[in-house]
Amino acid sequence: ILNVEQSPQSLHVQEGDSTNFTCSFPSSNFYALHWYRWETAKSPEALFVMTLNGDEKKKGRISATLNTKEGYSYLYIKGSQPEDSATYLCAFPDQTGANNLFFGTGTRLTVIP
Amino acid sequence: DTEVTQTPKHLVMGMTNKKSLKCEQHMGHRAMYWYKQKAKKPPELMFVYSYEKLSINESVPSRFSPECPNSSLLNLHLHALQPEDSALYLCASSQVILVSSYEQYFGPGTRLTVT
Repeated sequence: ILNVEQSPQSLHVQEGDSTNFTCSFPSSNFYALHWYRWETAKSPEALFVMTLNGDEKKKGRISATLNTKEGYSYLYIKGSQPEDSATYLCAFPDQTGANNLFFGTGTRLTVIP
Repeated sequence: DTEVTQTPKHLVMGMTNKKSLKCEQHMGHRAMYWYKQKAKKPPELMFVYSYEKLSINESVPSRFSPECPNSSLLNLHLHALQPEDSALYLCASSQVILVSSYEQYFGPGTRLTVT
């Protein structure tokens, strides 16, 4: 079992604020880092899969960065909207590199209108 | 079609019942997964199928029995469950298992309650 940690556990922000949260993972044997968004009563949805140190990915107002040497990834949301309210999960493949994911506990984001 | 469907959405069963959960995808993915998610915990991997063969069983009790009849369908057969098995059961698929840079596509889950 791999130790994947996320912080903070929960976050409340006002609509229009920008926010960010962190995923920490083992820095040895890195293969990929996944970010998923999970809205209540819906399916978890992939946001990004990051594979290279220094990678930056962007989808609309959401972006992510990756530092494989120190074992962390940041997820940024610019100008949060109520529809961004969800749990954001990062996941790390197992040590063989196969796509068996170990998930962090998630950051629960609530955007207050 | 990037949808993974799961049935039923909700299931209540007694400890002596036998029931099955069903998962389907039509994306041509050859890796399919079962996860268990308890409240306020992350999803935990239970089983992985690769090209319809069981690839990984993460020390799951035998009262859970997976089956992959074909490349689009994944079942989880349940028998003699315990109340602590109550959880959300998620199914997912990805193109292949051996490439960890492929995103997984998830179904909405089956909420199971064991009484």
